[in-house]
Amino acid sequence: DAGITQSPRHKVTETGTPVTLRCHQTENHRYMYWYRQDPGHGLRLIHYSYGVKDTDKGEVSDGYSVSRSKTEDFLLTLESATSSQTSVYFCAISEGGNGETQYFGPGTRLLVL
Amino acid sequence: GENVEQHPSTLSVQEGDSAVIKCTYSDSASNYFPWYKQELGKGPQLIIDIRSNVGEKKDQRIAVTLNKTAKHFSLHITETQPEDSAVYFCAANNFNKFYFGSGTKLNVKP
Repeated sequence: DAGITQSPRHKVTETGTPVTLRCHQTENHRYMYWYRQDPGHGLRLIHYSYGVKDTDKGEVSDGYSVSRSKTEDFLLTLESATSSQTSVYFCAISEGGNGETQYFGPGTRLLVL
Repeated sequence: GENVEQHPSTLSVQEGDSAVIKCTYSDSASNYFPWYKQELGKGPQLIIDIRSNVGEKKDQRIAVTLNKTAKHFSLHITETQPEDSAVYFCAANNFNKFYFGSGTKLNVKP
């Protein structure tokens, strides 16, 4: 398995609170991605990063922000969690962004009450 | 943006039979098409991929075909086994972004 860890693996929080999810890689890959997975929707891209401090939005970026201050860490923040953000969140990495294999982390299950 | 559609959403086959999952995409600029297998409680794992300059690729019991003109690609699993039971996702890569189909739950009955 690619060296990707996500923390926490499970989280329960209340509406309106900020939440930060962490993705850590040991592969020194340039690209990192955050996805959410919901029944009937597959995986949808939230944000991605193509280098330290370089990020871009995906399909479903509203209500989320990201930061990447080191190559190995990519943080996803829910600024004010809502029930619609209850989901399973996956981090992925790849060496390049175009035509390169993506490797996924184990996921974080988030429940917003 | 790109739109990927995947069919069927569920597929049940008898052990030893073949399974076929189909995906279509909308943007002709997409140039890389991976397939992932996801087991319960785990992250997706790449099982095979194909690039836009190739029409077919095989890896043991798994094959993928790509028709660029029609903008569709398919996953073929032959001689299915119970351990093939999982959710399968197709994806299209377009300018640094990946767009996923909604998934196919494959059930292989012993």
